[in-house]
Amino acid sequence: DTGVSQDPRHKITKRGQNVTFRCDPISEHNRLYWYRQTLGQGPEFLTYFQNEAQLEKSRLLSDRFSAERPKGSFSTLEIQRTEQGDSAMYLCASSSRLAGNPDTQYFGPGTRLTVL
Amino acid sequence: AQTVTQSQPEMSVQEAETVTLSCTYDTSESDYYLFWYKQPPSRQMILVIRQEAYKQQNATENRFSVNFQKAAKSFSLKISDSQLGDAAMYFCAATGGGGADGLTFGKGTHLIIQP
Repeated sequence: DTGVSQDPRHKITKRGQNVTFRCDPISEHNRLYWYRQTLGQGPEFLTYFQNEAQLEKSRLLSDRFSAERPKGSFSTLEIQRTEQGDSAMYLCASSSRLAGNPDTQYFGPGTRLTVL
Repeated sequence: AQTVTQSQPEMSVQEAETVTLSCTYDTSESDYYLFWYKQPPSRQMILVIRQEAYKQQNATENRFSVNFQKAAKSFSLKISDSQLGDAAMYFCAATGGGGADGLTFGKGTHLIIQP
């Protein structure tokens, strides 16, 4: 399967702990996006990479959140000092201007975070 | 800033019938894309159909088609011959910046298929 993959699929943590999620995009895609989805809502954009450069960050991305894409391939999203309000599904998507359906974002299965 | 509004929290349709899901949007971008995504229960977001704003022709994908009214900023999804597997949350989304920006999603419409 060459789709977007995310790891872990589920994460339960205690308030105040740090967590890190990983996303592997579709191999030929140079753009990678992170979203957060809470129950009953549509996803909300967090941040976007083109290759290794982080080009856009939502104001939702507080200073406790940091994202990296060091080699322009996989990306990590870290949340420090987690709070109960961080409980959500974290979705990753990737796209390419050149491959397949240009500028269409394809989503991974998500990481469900529960903060106790 | 973009906004996307889905005014129908839930819709129900009989199997094999046709249903239309509504979406309106607001954007200051001149070059943007519109999407419908499907999210089955506990499963990942799947692209249903996309529309480039510069194209006047409505997009179609098999049983799925859109009615894109650019002046009215309306982008509805029509599902023909509804099937049980169509049951899901449907999200309308928009992106500007020539497609490079993050998507702005609506709150979703829960589609129920009655057998």
